[in-house]
Amino acid sequence: LAKTTQPISMDSYEGQEVNITCSHNNIATNDYITWYQQFPSQGPRFIIQGYKTKVTNEVASLFIPADRKSSTLSLPRVSLSDTAVYYCLVGLISSGSARQLTFGSGTQLTVLP
Amino acid sequence: EPEVTQTPSHQVTQMGQEVILRCVPISNHLYFYWYRQILGQKVEFLVSFYNNEISEKSEIFDDQFSVERPDGSNFTLKIRSTKLEDSAMYFCASTDGGRVNEKLFFGSGTQLSVL
Repeated sequence: LAKTTQPISMDSYEGQEVNITCSHNNIATNDYITWYQQFPSQGPRFIIQGYKTKVTNEVASLFIPADRKSSTLSLPRVSLSDTAVYYCLVGLISSGSARQLTFGSGTQLTVLP
Repeated sequence: EPEVTQTPSHQVTQMGQEVILRCVPISNHLYFYWYRQILGQKVEFLVSFYNNEISEKSEIFDDQFSVERPDGSNFTLKIRSTKLEDSAMYFCASTDGGRVNEKLFFGSGTQLSVL
C-alpha cells in the first residue's frame, strides 16, 4: 500500500486559496489519488479523485504531476466552514474484491477570520 | 444525496460484553467497509466486504470481530467480548457503483464507549 505524507497542519484566512500537498513516492501504476474531508465527530466525506494531470469539481481541484509521486489539493476561496482535517489516500480502483484504503494522519486546516 | 445510516449513534457497554453496530449502506452499493477512529487519531481500516464475504481485513480485525450482511440492506459489525481499547468511533462505508474505492460514502459513525 502506498504511504502518504502530508503536513500536519495549515492555517489560512477566509477568502484565500489553500493548497495542500501530499507525497506518495511509491504509488503504483493502477493507484488512484483521493482526498477526503473530515469534520469532528463525523465520517470522512469524499472531495475529489484523480489519476493524472488535473481534475476539477465544484468544490476543489486536484493537481497531479506527470510522475504522480505527489498531488496537490486546491481549495479556492476558503471559508470558516472549510476548517477540517483533509486526508490524501492512494489506492487501487477496481472491480472484484474490495481493497482497503489507508488513511494517513491528515492535514488539519484551520481557516481564520 | 443518499446516505449511509448507522445505529446507534452512541453505545456504552461494559468490558467483556458483546456489541453489534448496525449500518444500512446505500441501496445499490456493492462494497462495504468498517473503519474506526480512536479519539484524536487517524481513521483505521478494519474490514472490507464484497459478494457476501470478507475481502480484506486488518490486523485490528481479530477473532473478536465479525461482520455480517444478514439481509439485503443491513451490514453489521459484532465485537464478541469488548475491551477498553475498543472504545472508538466506528464508521461504516460503502462505495458508489461497480468499482471498489471509487468513492466511499461514510456514515456518521457509532461512538462506542467500553467501561
